[in-house]
Amino acid sequence: AQSVTQLDSHVSVSEGTPVLLRCNYSSSYSPSLFWYVQHPNKGLQLLLKYTSAATLVKGINGFEAEFKKSETSFHLTKPSAHMSDAAEYFCALNTGGFKTIFGAGTRLFVKA
Amino acid sequence: NAGVTQTPKFQVLKTGQSMTLQCAQDMNHNSMYWYRQDPGMGLRLIYYSASEGTTDKGEVPNGYNVSRLNKREFSLRLESAAPSQTSVYFCASRTGDQPQHFGDGTRLSIL
Repeated sequence: AQSVTQLDSHVSVSEGTPVLLRCNYSSSYSPSLFWYVQHPNKGLQLLLKYTSAATLVKGINGFEAEFKKSETSFHLTKPSAHMSDAAEYFCALNTGGFKTIFGAGTRLFVKA
Repeated sequence: NAGVTQTPKFQVLKTGQSMTLQCAQDMNHNSMYWYRQDPGMGLRLIYYSASEGTTDKGEVPNGYNVSRLNKREFSLRLESAAPSQTSVYFCASRTGDQPQHFGDGTRLSIL
């Protein structure tokens, strides 16, 4: 069965420190994986996507993610958190059909 | 550069009333989706349309109907609204194996 697990429901960091949001997946196929960000009262915005090209994927706003097949992981990182990064983040997996599986989300808090 | 447009943005209904949520995309995407988002429940798929002329149930279709009006438009109808349908509703679209693109949501309260 295909699935996406976000390992932390919330993460708190100080401004200027690194961010790590963890995502594990299970897929029978070569996966297409995505990270989205959702700010309050907004829709989900695509941060980055992995579709079997380079394993290190760069996205918007300084975020990047590394696809590790051996660990079935696709963790999201940013070297230095900014207050504007406070939001909810979703990891997602295309199923190979028409659906997308979304993780439960990780809320990122950034302290001044 | 509109992307996915949802109307209305906010709505308050009384129990038993009906309404239609509208969604349109201008990216020529084949597939369209309706989700609801509730606190602590993540995103739940209500219905989707893989291509123009087809619709299929998702995880939580009860109490809803959909219409894929044409390639651009995909509407969600609540025939007899219930308080349990109070939620934020998102429309999304996608083509091929690409990521979904989302609208900004409709915030629906049912009293």
